[in-house]
Amino acid sequence: DAGITQSPRHKVTETGTPVTLRCHQTENHRYMYWYRQDPGHGLRLIHYSYGVKDTDKGEVSDGYSVSRSKTEDFLLTLESATSSQTSVYFCAISESKAGDQTQYFGPGTRLLVL
Amino acid sequence: DAKTTQPPSMDCAEGRAANLPCNHSTISGNEYVYWYRQIHSQGPQYIIHGLKNNETNEMASLIITEDRKSSTLILPHATLRDTAVYYCIVRVRDDKIIFGKGTRLHILP
Repeated sequence: DAGITQSPRHKVTETGTPVTLRCHQTENHRYMYWYRQDPGHGLRLIHYSYGVKDTDKGEVSDGYSVSRSKTEDFLLTLESATSSQTSVYFCAISESKAGDQTQYFGPGTRLLVL
Repeated sequence: DAKTTQPPSMDCAEGRAANLPCNHSTISGNEYVYWYRQIHSQGPQYIIHGLKNNETNEMASLIITEDRKSSTLILPHATLRDTAVYYCIVRVRDDKIIFGKGTRLHILP
């Protein structure tokens, strides 16, 4: 399995509080991604990074920000959590070269916003 | 965007081969076919991918039709641990995977 960890694995927070989720990789892959998964919607891309300090928005980026100051870490921040952000969050990594865009996923973080 | 069509669910007897179909009639010539699966509450797991030729690895085989408009993922000897949602993906825009709803595979004892 690819070396990807996510922390915390579970979190309960209150509406309006800031939350930061961490994704850490030991594979030295260039690309990192944050997805959320909700019933009836499948996996949806929030933000992704194609290098240190290089990030871009996905299809559901509103209410989220990201940072990548080191190759191995990709942080997802909910500036002011809302109940609609209750979800399971997955991080993924990819080497993405020579046409091979295989992504490897972390174990997920379950977030409950009350 | 190229789109995929998969049956929402399938059953397979334990020990038999599971054949999961996927239609992708609008695939472009340089787009790969990827298969992932997601076992309940876990992160998606990469299975296999291919462009034109059939591919095989330790987990599965991928059969792509000559016109590339459809493919089949084959799990040769399904076990209960293969119960999962299987995603066929052919569209990757700017390195972003677009997941559909997938096929829920039930392995029956």
